[in-house]
Amino acid sequence: EPEVTQTPSHQVTQMGQEVILRCVPISNHLYFYWYRQILGQKVEFLVSFYNNEISEKSEIFDDQFSVERPDGSNFTLKIRSTKLEDSAMYFCASAEREGTEAFFGQGTRLTVV
Amino acid sequence: AQSVTQPDIHITVSEGASLELRCNYSYGATPYLFWYVQSPGQGLQLLLKYFSGDTLVQGIKGFEAEFKRSQSSFNLRKPSVHWSDAAEYFCAVGARNRDDKIIFGKGTRLHILP
Repeated sequence: EPEVTQTPSHQVTQMGQEVILRCVPISNHLYFYWYRQILGQKVEFLVSFYNNEISEKSEIFDDQFSVERPDGSNFTLKIRSTKLEDSAMYFCASAEREGTEAFFGQGTRLTVV
Repeated sequence: AQSVTQPDIHITVSEGASLELRCNYSYGATPYLFWYVQSPGQGLQLLLKYFSGDTLVQGIKGFEAEFKRSQSSFNLRKPSVHWSDAAEYFCAVGARNRDDKIIFGKGTRLHILP
C-alpha cells in the first residue's frame, strides 16, 4: 500500500541552526501539507501546497519557514534559525485530489537544544 | 473557516465497555469529517471518514461514527473497547474547497481500565 514517507524520524539540532525535513508524498497525489504537533498538544496546520505554490498557510508559518518541491517527488519543510519552541513532531500529508482524504506520514520529531 | 471541538480531554472506560467520543464542528457547508488515532510516539492513522451519503460510517478496528448535521456532530463509537484502543483520538474537519486543509480538534486521550 502506498504511503507517505518522512525522513529523518528524529532530528536533534542546536538553536539557531537550519533544518530541512523531508517528505516523499504518495506518487499520484497533488495536494501536500505540513502539520506540527508540540508534545502533548493538538495537531496544527502549517501550510498547504498545490500546483507548485503555497495555497494556504497558518499564522505559525512565518518567514522562518519555507516549503519546496525540488524535484517532483520530494516535499521539504525548511526551518531557518530554529528556536527551542520549534521542538515538535512535524507531519507531512498528501491527498490525491480535492475531496479525498489526506494520508499522513509517521512524522519527524524535531528537538531543538 | 472550519473548526472542531472535542469537549473531553480524557476519557476512561473499562475494557469491554462501550465508548463514545464527542466531536462538534463548525463549518458553513457540509464538511469532510475524519477521526484519526495516534498511539504514543506514533503517527496519525485514519480510522474513518465522512464525505457524503450514509451518515453512519464504518471504520477500521470496529469503530463507527455518525454525522448529525442538526447537531453539527460526528461522534465516534465502539461497542466494546479493547486495551489496545488506549490512544489519543483526533476529530478533524476538512473544507470543501481547493485547499482542503484539515483542521484538528485538541484530541481526546482514551484510557482503558483492565
